[in-house]
Amino acid sequence: DAGVIQSPRHEVTEMGQEVTLRCKPISGHDYLFWYRQTMMRGLELLIYFNNNVPIDDSGMPEDRFSAKMPNASFSTLKIQPSEPRDSAVYFCASSGGRDSAHFNWAQYFGPGTRLLVL
Amino acid sequence: SQQGEEDPQALSIQEGENATMNCSYKTSINNLQWYRQNSGRGLVHLILIRSNEREKHSGRLRVTLDTSKKSSSLLITASRAADTASYFCATDGNQGGKLIFGQGTELSVKP
Repeated sequence: DAGVIQSPRHEVTEMGQEVTLRCKPISGHDYLFWYRQTMMRGLELLIYFNNNVPIDDSGMPEDRFSAKMPNASFSTLKIQPSEPRDSAVYFCASSGGRDSAHFNWAQYFGPGTRLLVL
Repeated sequence: SQQGEEDPQALSIQEGENATMNCSYKTSINNLQWYRQNSGRGLVHLILIRSNEREKHSGRLRVTLDTSKKSSSLLITASRAADTASYFCATDGNQGGKLIFGQGTELSVKP
């Protein structure tokens, strides 16, 4: 399996521009998570989906952030308009499947998108 | 709010020594997980311990869980320079698939 795939790996944009981050979860996983990591705030959960349905978006900073999961193999996180304080590494992770009798709650992370907003 | 908090924040040891990291959490859990993050990379799942388990081993890793004290520890035995990374504990807080991560312990293993 290729693991969780994220694109782009790096994004440099100017304040006010729209940014779209993309994620392809591991096939068969039914949970998908978006995280943001900064030195100051650590790793923050932004939103997560179960079977393509958003379950908890309480971590989304504000209305400038939106996330969609149109199907089981694709999700986007959009920031519009972007601001310098959005600069961070954004990770997508997925989980699912079964480990013998138990649901496998381990999360598998993508390589992240390093976003810099100037 | 942070569910898991690691201690120490940073740890520096020599190759071959053991490294112990601790995690405390606040609410009841179904499971607790440990992850490793190498600089500039995504997190990698190391081990999961369920709330009804007290100890679990995986290679050079040993994890303990004390639900009465709401704490866990990760022991890496015979450390190697390649173990240099940040280590995070994560708890589910009885919230299904969602995890809440601590701030991490930065481990440096000197050759």
